[in-house]
Amino acid sequence: DAGITQSPRHKVTETGTPVTLRCHQTENHRYMYWYRQDPGHGLRLIHYSYGVKDTDKGEVSDGYSVSRSKTEDFLLTLESATSSQTSVYFCATRYGVMEKLFFGSGTQLSVL
Amino acid sequence: AQTVTQSQPEMSVQEAETVTLSCTYDTSESDYYLFWYKQPPSRQMILVIRQEAYKQQNATENRFSVNFQKAAKSFSLKISDSQLGDAAMYFCAYRSASGSNYQLIWGAGTKLIIKP
Repeated sequence: DAGITQSPRHKVTETGTPVTLRCHQTENHRYMYWYRQDPGHGLRLIHYSYGVKDTDKGEVSDGYSVSRSKTEDFLLTLESATSSQTSVYFCATRYGVMEKLFFGSGTQLSVL
Repeated sequence: AQTVTQSQPEMSVQEAETVTLSCTYDTSESDYYLFWYKQPPSRQMILVIRQEAYKQQNATENRFSVNFQKAAKSFSLKISDSQLGDAAMYFCAYRSASGSNYQLIWGAGTKLIIKP
């Protein structure tokens, strides 16, 4: 499987603080995605990227921003964390015409 | 807008037996893809099986097979000869064949418990 590393694996933070989650891939996949997973909702797309500096919003993008300055790194930033952003965050990548998504192991974020 | 519904929050099955997980979806499109993903306690999402809507033949992957009923908008997953390692959350997902953003619509998941 693709080498996708998410960091940190766990984070606890306070309301109002900025938080950045990192996704690093070693497979040179063009497409990268950020999802959040909450009980009863499955996965919901936050933002995605289709190339360096090319990003777009998903269905739950409010309160989140992303950046992709290099093919291998896709950063998710919560400018001012809120308790509603407590969730498990997954990064995923996809290579071109292949349909398969490769997932990282997730980041458990708790906002107190 | 498309939706995906998994009506079984939890299912249990005896080891070596067969279990079927249900998934229904709503769409007005004719061309799309359907997926089943497995999420074990390690949390990593793993693709189990994929079905193209234009294919009438049901997809199979070893012990995993689907029953794809396009008219009924149903996409169930059958796991034969259940093994302890099959215990996980299973998610059904839909993706439109049009558009380039590859947005998946996910169901809420079904927790599968394997009884030894």
